[in-house]
Amino acid sequence: DVKVTQSSRYLVKRTGEKVFLECVQDMDHENMFWYRQDPGLGLRLIYFSYDVKMKEKGDIPEGYSVSREKKERFSLILESASTNQTSMYLCASLGPVFAEAFFGQGTRLTVV
Amino acid sequence: KNEVEQSPQNLTAQEGEFITINCSYSVGISALHWLQQHPGGGIVSLFMLSSGKKKHGRLIATINIQEKHSSLHITASHPRDSAVYICAVTVGNQFYFGTGTSLTVIP
Repeated sequence: DVKVTQSSRYLVKRTGEKVFLECVQDMDHENMFWYRQDPGLGLRLIYFSYDVKMKEKGDIPEGYSVSREKKERFSLILESASTNQTSMYLCASLGPVFAEAFFGQGTRLTVV
Repeated sequence: KNEVEQSPQNLTAQEGEFITINCSYSVGISALHWLQQHPGGGIVSLFMLSSGKKKHGRLIATINIQEKHSSLHITASHPRDSAVYICAVTVGNQFYFGTGTSLTVIP
């Protein structure tokens, strides 16, 4: 009964490539989030979306963009991947009463 | 300033020991979540609490709303419990995360 699915577990990309990380949830949640997780820094919010076509910058949006064309899908885009974007990326969704929350399995991205 | 504080940061236990991880928060919350992350893995939600106590197998989570405090207990700990445990709260439509407790259970 997977609820939040990230398209890849592991990804290796070259510097300068455009990278798409996809997240899909099947719970009709309005709120979706992208975080990156780095040792010693914990989870940091990149972008979030509270509705289709709506997006808000988080704490570290530089170098990233997002797309939410459909309610169930929230995409994170690295316009031109750089080595400092090597990280674990986590997607999360939050239900309408702000209590039901689910996380994806994470995408470990390596930029070489 | 962290809205969510966890203790301890690191914990090593012998197999079979009773383990407690603590979480304090400073904001009004909709719910508190205990999350588990195995090395190199994604995050799994263990519990979602807005009051009282929940139990799942050897795991027990409690929350005291008045004191803004939650505990995660693991009874009869096992090496497979070795992971990072993260406390998170939802405030409005946002998450706030603790920095995690790294648990190692030695056989």
